Amino acid sequence: GQNIDQPTEMTATEGAIVQINCTYQTSGFNGLFWYQQHAGEAPTFLSYNVLDGLEEKGRFSSFLSRSKGYSYLLLKELQMKDSASYLCAVNPGTYKYIFGTGTRLKVLA
Amino acid sequence: DVKVTQSSRYLVKRTGEKVFLECVQDMDHENMFWYRQDPGLGLRLIYFSYDVKMKEKGDIPEGYSVSREKKERFSLILESASTNQTSMYLCASSPPGGRGHEQYFGPGTRLTVT
Repeated sequence: GQNIDQPTEMTATEGAIVQINCTYQTSGFNGLFWYQQHAGEAPTFLSYNVLDGLEEKGRFSSFLSRSKGYSYLLLKELQMKDSASYLCAVNPGTYKYIFGTGTRLKVLA
Repeated sequence: DVKVTQSSRYLVKRTGEKVFLECVQDMDHENMFWYRQDPGLGLRLIYFSYDVKMKEKGDIPEGYSVSREKKERFSLILESASTNQTSMYLCASSPPGGRGHEQYFGPGTRLTVT
């Protein structure tokens, strides 16, 4: 079957660095996406990885290892507004996207 | 600025009612999707469409149908609402090909069936 695993909840302190992991097992692979979703709002796109390595976008970075079926989202200089759920999603090469259940991140002052 | 809109943010319906959820995108995207989001279960795909009048079942199509008469509009229909369809419904669109493109989500409709 197709499966994406990510931790349910994480807590970190304002100004710190946090790493959210995602492991996946899918029938095919055409890219991995990270979305941010604040409570009661729509998911918004953060990053996309299709090749191995690190993609950096300001305070956010995303890493992919296709051989290990593994990705992580790295958030630096955490701010209170980063408190949200972070969704990992894989496009297995079809029109469909497979989503993980999301990681709820709480940033404490 | 890309935009996906949904007809209602909150909706309360009675068991057995026919329910229509509308989604409109202004990005000229070919692909449109309907998901439901439940705590602990993540986003689950109900139906998607890759062109006008084309539709395919997702992972949980039972109890739902869809309509796509125009490129910009994708409707989700609950033929006879049941309490287990109480959920957050999210519409999304993406550029053609469906591969390697991020999805753009609407604000969601929180549906309660009593």
